[in-house]
Amino acid sequence: NAGVTQTPKFQVLKTGQSMTLQCAQDMNHEYMSWYRQDPGMGLRLIHYSVGAGITDQGEVPNGYNVSRSTTEDFPLRLLSAAPSQTSVYFCAQRGGSDGYTFGSGTRLTVV
Amino acid sequence: AQSVTQLDSHVSVSEGTPVLLRCNYSSSYSPSLFWYVQHPNKGLQLLLKYTSAATLVKGINGFEAEFKKSETSFHLTKPSAHMSDAAEYFCVVRPGGNEKLTFGTGTRLTIIP
Repeated sequence: NAGVTQTPKFQVLKTGQSMTLQCAQDMNHEYMSWYRQDPGMGLRLIHYSVGAGITDQGEVPNGYNVSRSTTEDFPLRLLSAAPSQTSVYFCAQRGGSDGYTFGSGTRLTVV
Repeated sequence: AQSVTQLDSHVSVSEGTPVLLRCNYSSSYSPSLFWYVQHPNKGLQLLLKYTSAATLVKGINGFEAEFKKSETSFHLTKPSAHMSDAAEYFCVVRPGGNEKLTFGTGTRLTIIP
């Protein structure tokens, strides 16, 4: 999906390991967010940011940290991975037209 | 608080017949509403959006949706289904002035040849 780049596409972690999911956008948009997608539950908001230096919690923030030091990047950190964090993670950005653009996702498995 | 209910978890239609995917919402503020489509193992693509302009919204690939405030509904329709329409569809609400999107649980659309 043009404008939002997520890395990695796939990741397997052991319980207790830490990792950072990367999200970058090249549209210079202020709003970015992270969602997780689980079967039968749609997408749920983890954290979001309305600009550099500003972040806030979404619906399911526990176990995740974020920071927004630049407009371009919005990384999502798992400090101590748990099997319940096995999911597909999507990063999104919003432009001025109210449309949200999503990245292609990161499939994370915690064993 | 806002919520979205997609009334059918799975819809099957024959190719060439109409598609109806139902969505009801609740929101404390004047909402924006969206429909997104997700093909298997892919990201989400915006089909259409309602942002307080015309209540009948036309999107990509022949889809359209009508915002009905009195019924708090935003159903997605297409006159004639195509095999390429097989996918998961999500109805999404964004309250006015709020960046927190709320997703429905999705409707899986199957097209029968």
